[in-house]
Formats: sequence, C-alpha cells, structure tokens
Amino acid sequence: QKEVEQDPGPLSVPEGAIVSLNCTYSNSAFQYFMWYRQYSRKGPELLMYTYSSGNKEDGRFTAQVDKSSKYISLFIRDSQPSDSATYLCAMSVYNQGGKLIFGQGTELSVKP
Amino acid sequence: DAGVIQSPRHEVTEMGQEVTLRCKPISGHDYLFWYRQTMMRGLELLIYFNNNVPIDDSGMPEDRFSAKMPNASFSTLKIQPSEPRDSAVYFCASSRFYEQYFGPGTRLTVT
Repeated sequence: QKEVEQDPGPLSVPEGAIVSLNCTYSNSAFQYFMWYRQYSRKGPELLMYTYSSGNKEDGRFTAQVDKSSKYISLFIRDSQPSDSATYLCAMSVYNQGGKLIFGQGTELSVKP
Repeated sequence: DAGVIQSPRHEVTEMGQEVTLRCKPISGHDYLFWYRQTMMRGLELLIYFNNNVPIDDSGMPEDRFSAKMPNASFSTLKIQPSEPRDSAVYFCASSRFYEQYFGPGTRLTVT
C-alpha cells in the first residue's frame, strides 16, 4: 500500500462546477500538506500549503485537512478551463528535512 | 527571483551515452531535490541535498545514476551509461522549509 493514495482520474467537469480533489494517507506522522498544480509539459507549481488540520482558503481554492480520517481535499469553486491540469497532493513529516511524499496526481479537465 | 533553472530542457541521446542534467536552485534555499516523472510511476524522489550534502539517495535507481552539489548554486544529475528505460522528465526542486519550488524539467529521451 502506498503512503499516499490519489485517484488519477481523469475527471471532467463543466465550466463553473465545484471540483473536489482528494487524497488519503496512511502515515499519521504527516503534518505538512500541500497541493501542486501541473500543466502539461510544465513543472509542478505550489498551489496551497497547510499545516496540521483545518481549512485554508485562497481565492477560488480551499484546502481541507482531516487528520482523524487521514484525508485531505482541495476544492475549486467556479472552475475555469484554465484550471485544467494535473493536481498532486504532497505531504511531509515534521522532522524529515523537507522530503515530500507525492500522490499520483489527478488529471482535471474543465470543459467550456 | 528567476526560479529554479534547469538545463538542458530537452535531451535526446543514444543508449550507452553519458547524460548530465544541471540545476540552479533558488538563491537562499538550502534544500535541493531531484525527481523523475513518468506516466507509469508518477513523480519519484531520486535524491536530496541539505546545505550541499546528500541526505537521502535511496531513490536513485542504480549505480548508473549519480548526483553532486559542489556549491549552493549548482547541482548535477549524471546517468552513465544511459538506457532507454531512463527516458523520463527529470525535475529539480529547491526549498527553505517544506514548500518545494520546481524547475521546468529536462525531458530525456534515450534511443
């Protein structure tokens, strides 16, 4: 079993829809949780970063962490065609020197 | 800041040749990471450095792979000899804490 599980999709939604992307993990020591966005033929770009449990909002994006369920989510409101990309979750243990464990990535397509 | 810089952006080489990938991290970042990304295996961490010292190289697939970081502003990943199964996109990333910033990647094709 992988430490971080993420449904690879693809996920296709109409423009304006609310998108929910999720990851589950098995290591209860993870404390830092991130979401990266990767456009085709580009490097991953840091989108959201949260520490421990709770919510964080940034514009149309909301990241949630539920440590009791070992489950993290990224919500995208009013999705746009420009949101079409692969979204990767990543997480880290406090004393692992910045080493991130990545999910497989979910491919999202937002149709106009 | 210019971000993480990688070169070359594309490399096509024949099996058996030596390949050297280069990375310049963001100034002030003391962690540097090398990743490989393929459709089948996703994003894999190969090795990472802290203050120019290799910390974890458990992801380096074989002895054909080696990485160095001679100073805070430069790192190389070398494959010698290269094989077709090494074809992938290789990313370099740097960080100060936990947020890693990725370069644009080097797309390697070994024929």
